[in-house]
Amino acid sequence: AQSVAQPEDQVNVAEGNPLTVKCTYSVSGNPYLFWYVQYPNRGLQFLLKYITGDNLVKGSYGFEAEFNKSQTSFHLKKPSALVSDSALYFCAVSAPYGNNRLAFGKGNQVVVIP
Amino acid sequence: EAGVAQSPRYKIIEKRQSVAFWCNPISGHATLYWYQQILGQGPKLLIQFQNNGVVDDSQLPKDRFSAERLKGVDSTLKIQPAKLEDSAVYLCASSPLPLAGGQHEQYFGPGTRLTVT
Repeated sequence: AQSVAQPEDQVNVAEGNPLTVKCTYSVSGNPYLFWYVQYPNRGLQFLLKYITGDNLVKGSYGFEAEFNKSQTSFHLKKPSALVSDSALYFCAVSAPYGNNRLAFGKGNQVVVIP
Repeated sequence: EAGVAQSPRYKIIEKRQSVAFWCNPISGHATLYWYQQILGQGPKLLIQFQNNGVVDDSQLPKDRFSAERLKGVDSTLKIQPAKLEDSAVYLCASSPLPLAGGQHEQYFGPGTRLTVT
């Protein structure tokens, strides 16, 4: 079964500095990979996905992620963090067969310090 | 376009009581999902519908949880009887039909926060 590891519970970054949220995955076959963000008392919002093609994926709000097959990673990045980026970030993976069930990581709390 | 609607937003019940949650997906989305999100964890899929048929309910505790999607649109998730460990946020999501060689992202509602005392 597919799974995701998000090793850090919380990521603290100063406003204006680069932001990186780490994700590694496990799945049989080529993965479908997603990043979602969750603000307090809100549902998850889609940021970006990797299905196939270019390993660097660009998404909403200036976020991007790089797919690295050899390291089974899909780290989320933003060149310059904003205070409004403070939220909970989830990485998710599904397999390219069956019912495409998404397996989510436990999430990373990102705190951007003014 | 309107997003995924869920109600109620909050619910407090005592253990052994029953509760029901309602979800209205984005218009035209064939696939509907119910997730359970326990505090400090990522969402866990409970059940997935495609139109009004069940695609995946392997992680649904069927002795107490049930769900239906009549007419392939709205859906309800029921818990009867509730246990303390059912305290969580219940998220509904929807997406268009799966792509060949790809996968649509899912669109999530705001969730229902259930507290079982």
